Amino acid sequence: QKEVEQDPGPLSVPEGAIVSLNCTYSNSAFQYFMWYRQYSRKGPELLMYTYSSGNKEDGRFTAQVDKSSKYISLFIRDSQPSDSATYLCAMRGRNNDMRFGAGTRLTVKP
Amino acid sequence: EADIYQTPRYLVIGTGKKITLECSQTMGHDKMYWYQQDPGMELHLIHYSYGVNSTEKGDLSSESTVSRIRTEHFPLTLESARPSHTSQYLCASRGGGGYSYNEQFFGPGTRLTVL
Repeated sequence: QKEVEQDPGPLSVPEGAIVSLNCTYSNSAFQYFMWYRQYSRKGPELLMYTYSSGNKEDGRFTAQVDKSSKYISLFIRDSQPSDSATYLCAMRGRNNDMRFGAGTRLTVKP
Repeated sequence: EADIYQTPRYLVIGTGKKITLECSQTMGHDKMYWYQQDPGMELHLIHYSYGVNSTEKGDLSSESTVSRIRTEHFPLTLESARPSHTSQYLCASRGGGGYSYNEQFFGPGTRLTVL
């Protein structure tokens, strides 16, 4: 079983839709949770960073962490065509070993 | 935008050639990483370094080697390229301190094709 599971999609939504991206994990030692966005032919860029459980909002993006369920989510409100990318979840514990999901490819159609 | 650079961006090479993928960062980060990324698969860590003259192998077995003679430079070398080495190679660095600056920043990647 992989430590981090992420639905690879692809996910296609119309412009303006609310997008929900999710990851589950098995290692209860993970404390730091990240979402990266990767455009085609580019490296991943850090989008959201959350420590432990709770919600964090940044503009149209909201990251949620539920450590009791070992489940993290990224919500994108009012999605735009420029949001079309692959979104990778990532997490690590105090030992700094980072684990990544396989990425979900999102397409937002005008 | 993170100041981490990779060259070349694309490389097509024949089997048996020696290649070096370059990675440089101007952020003064101590920690640097090399990942391999294949379509639909999670990133696999192949090498990392926590400082000058410090290198370690990652989770994924790799026939490549790395060196860290200068803080800003972390090249990856394949002595004899094979078609199985065809992949996207991503370099990342990480600084110290709190919040998001403590997380990894990635370069644009090198897409390697070995014929």
